[in-house]
Amino acid sequence: GENVEQHPSTLSVQEGDSAVIKCTYSDSASNYFPWYKQELGKRPQLIIDIRSNVGEKKDQRIAVTLNKTAKHFSLHITETQPEDSAVYFCAASLTDSGGYQKVTFGTGTKLQVIP
Amino acid sequence: NAGVTQTPKFQVLKTGQSMTLQCAQDMNHNSMYWYRQDPGMGLRLIYYSASEGTTDKGEVPNGYNVSRLNKREFSLRLESAAPSQTSVYFCASSLGPGQGFYGYTFGSGTRLTVV
Repeated sequence: GENVEQHPSTLSVQEGDSAVIKCTYSDSASNYFPWYKQELGKRPQLIIDIRSNVGEKKDQRIAVTLNKTAKHFSLHITETQPEDSAVYFCAASLTDSGGYQKVTFGTGTKLQVIP
Repeated sequence: NAGVTQTPKFQVLKTGQSMTLQCAQDMNHNSMYWYRQDPGMGLRLIYYSASEGTTDKGEVPNGYNVSRLNKREFSLRLESAAPSQTSVYFCASSLGPGQGFYGYTFGSGTRLTVV
């Protein structure tokens, strides 16, 4: 089955700096890559996603890049703010023969933005 | 529009007790899921229901049962709780097979402690 590795497990940055979180996946059939943000004690929430036919997607201060050949994708947060502090999860999903989307999550990155 | 609603938010059980976690969504999603979240292990799939009338095992199904009561509701039952089932449980929903995939909407979680 699919295996998703996420690095680093913890990341501390100064406010205003950039943060990068990297994930690799094993199954080349994966075609959808969402990122979730989970604030302390809250539910995970989808913040950005990318499909396999796109190499990069940007939404204000966050961007995601996908390298299908190398089977890795990354989350980039620029001009970090204290409210960006949270755990971030990457995920890879593929469609099985029945049309069902199978999702595998990474183990999470705890981002701390230091004011 | 409540999204995905989970009850209860907190629960303490004694070893061997049973309980049912309830989940309901009002987004007309076809697929529903139960995940558990443990420190350092990310989100692990317990059971899922790709569409009304179907349920399937995920990565960690032992000790759990599920019921897809109707399109809106998907419950998770612990028949004989064990300390290893102490975790945070999240219900989630998504559009479903053949409708594209746009990520999950998660419930607010149930923090379960088994003593």
